[in-house]
Amino acid sequence: EVQLVESGGGLVQPGGSLRLSCAASGFTFSSYWMHWVRQAPGKGLVWVSLINDDGSRTIHADSVKGRFTISRDNAKNTLYLQMNSLRAEDTAVYYCARDSPHVDGELDYWGQGTLVTVSS
Amino acid sequence: QFVLTQSPSASASLGASVKLTCTLSSGHSRYAIAWHQQQPEKGPRYLMKVNSDGSHIKGDGIPDRFSGSSSGAERYLTISSLQSEDEAEYYCQSWDTGFRVFGGGTKLTVL
Repeated sequence: EVQLVESGGGLVQPGGSLRLSCAASGFTFSSYWMHWVRQAPGKGLVWVSLINDDGSRTIHADSVKGRFTISRDNAKNTLYLQMNSLRAEDTAVYYCARDSPHVDGELDYWGQGTLVTVSS
Repeated sequence: QFVLTQSPSASASLGASVKLTCTLSSGHSRYAIAWHQQQPEKGPRYLMKVNSDGSHIKGDGIPDRFSGSSSGAERYLTISSLQSEDEAEYYCQSWDTGFRVFGGGTKLTVL
């Protein structure tokens, strides 16, 4: 059974940093591209970042470029999101998600999310 | 700019059918999309991929009541024999080189 379990969320002050983790199991993690998607309270889903299977390619949405960094450790089956210079508008539930086999484009498994609150 | 447009809300009666629509922006009318369901207070769940020719491939364990289709720049999700647990937010999602994009979501109410 595919499982994605996020952790690391919490309350952080504006300008602060946080690192999210996503532990993957039930599939060959090193063969899949992975994503972070966020959802502000009461709002819709917004794509944040992607990383390819070996970690050599990363892409971030303009809203987080230069502040967030996606990475992975295939030996630990874990995806990360390092978030720096956090702003109030980064407050959201952050989900990790798996891209489909062959990188077709759809996100075919999701975690349950971890809440990040940026507030003083 | 690649945009997916969804109606904010829809409603249908228990046991009835409903068809949700996702419209692809100009220049992207032949792109495939995915449908995701998000029940209250839960993470999203992948339902299916819908291609421009109307073919669809469902995710693991998705009931036969859920189906997909296409017409031009529109992609559809049809849910038949509506059940109370189908009350949820439904998002379409597509992709281009280097990014993924979501529609604004449709909140489905089962009456």
